[in-house]
Formats: sequence, structure tokens, C-alpha cells
Amino acid sequence: DTVLTQSPGTLSLSPGERATLSCRASQSVSSSFLAWYQQRPGQAPRLLIYGASSRPTGIPDRFSGSGSGTDFTLTISRLEPEDFAMYYCQQYGNSPWTFGQGTKVDIK
Amino acid sequence: EGQLVESGGGLVQPGGSLRLSCAASGFGFGSLGMTWVRQAPGKGLEWVASIKEDGNEKYYVDSVKGRFIISRDNAKNSLYLQMNSLGAEDTAVYYCASGRMWHVIWGQGTMVIVSS
Repeated sequence: DTVLTQSPGTLSLSPGERATLSCRASQSVSSSFLAWYQQRPGQAPRLLIYGASSRPTGIPDRFSGSGSGTDFTLTISRLEPEDFAMYYCQQYGNSPWTFGQGTKVDIK
Repeated sequence: EGQLVESGGGLVQPGGSLRLSCAASGFGFGSLGMTWVRQAPGKGLEWVASIKEDGNEKYYVDSVKGRFIISRDNAKNSLYLQMNSLGAEDTAVYYCASGRMWHVIWGQGTMVIVSS
């Protein structure tokens, strides 16, 4: 199975700061089939990025994704209060699909 | 805007069975693959099973193969997960989600607790 390792485990930042989240795969992810989700407490996940760098309709452009192969990054250019949440990466290039363990972005 | 609503969760004894349902509305359900994802209490997300648009191909995580069955009824805009031989490790919130790869629409989840 493709293991996704997210770092850091927790990121403590202030509103307005830039957040950089990492997702490293144990093997190359086919065709950059990687997605990022945000999950707030008590809520379902919300898709932020798919195909490593594509944003679905309605996702603010402060969220951006990059990377290929085994190294992927989610960047939040300027943190808004509602961005403090848990973030998961997911790969769907190698069966079985797998998720990372998550990065928590909390308020410093 | 698309919506998914899960039902059927609850408390079940180890070794028991449960059938989850997911009602879809507001999008072309029959044109999309569908997926179940679960989240154990305080833990991360785990992909459980996916099914293609026509229901002819199904995919499972190894830990549920032979115990869970994913199915769908496109005429009823509904997705199902039949769960058999349940164990404590299956305790989780179960989400249905649109798509077989990335998931735009998610339900609110239904809690399954396996305990005696």
C-alpha cells in the first residue's frame, strides 16, 4: 500500500500567515492523483485540491497545491480564521486509495 | 447543489450486521462512481469501498473484503454498504462521498458502534 506521511503533525500560525503542509508518499503516485481535504471539528471533509493542483469550483484561490511523484504540498497563502482545521492528503493513483494521517493547523 | 444523506448507523454487537444507506439528490448520481470512507473516533480518514457508475465494478480495502458489500440503486439515487461480521475495529463514522477518486460531495456521516 502507498503510505502517505504528512508533516508537520501540527502547525501553529497566526491569521494572515502563510501555511505550508507537506505530504510524502512511500512510492510514486501515478499521474499526480493526489487530493487535499479540510476537515473542521464535527464536520465532513471538504475537497480543496484534486489532481495535485486543481481547485474545485468555490474553493478560494488562497489554497494551492503542487508537487508530483512522491512529494506534494498544500499552501494556504494567507490564513483566514475559518482555515484553522485538520488537513488530509489522499492518493488515488495506486490501489488501495490511502489518506495521510493529517496535519492540524491551529491558532498560535 | 448536491447532497448526500446517510442513515442506518447504530450500536451493534460484535459479529453482527448492519446496512448503511446513502440518499443522493441534486446531482447526476447515476453518472458518478461512489465511495464509502470511515473515520474511527479521534482518528484519520480511511477509504473503505468504491463502486463504478453502473455498479459492475467494486473495490474494497483489504480489511473489509469478504465482510462488506457496496451496492447502488441508480433508479433510487441510493448507495448502500452491507456490513457483516462486524468487529470493534469497524467502529467509526461512515461517510458516503461522490466520485471514485476524489470526492466533492460528502454526507454528514452515520456512526457505527460495535460493542457488547
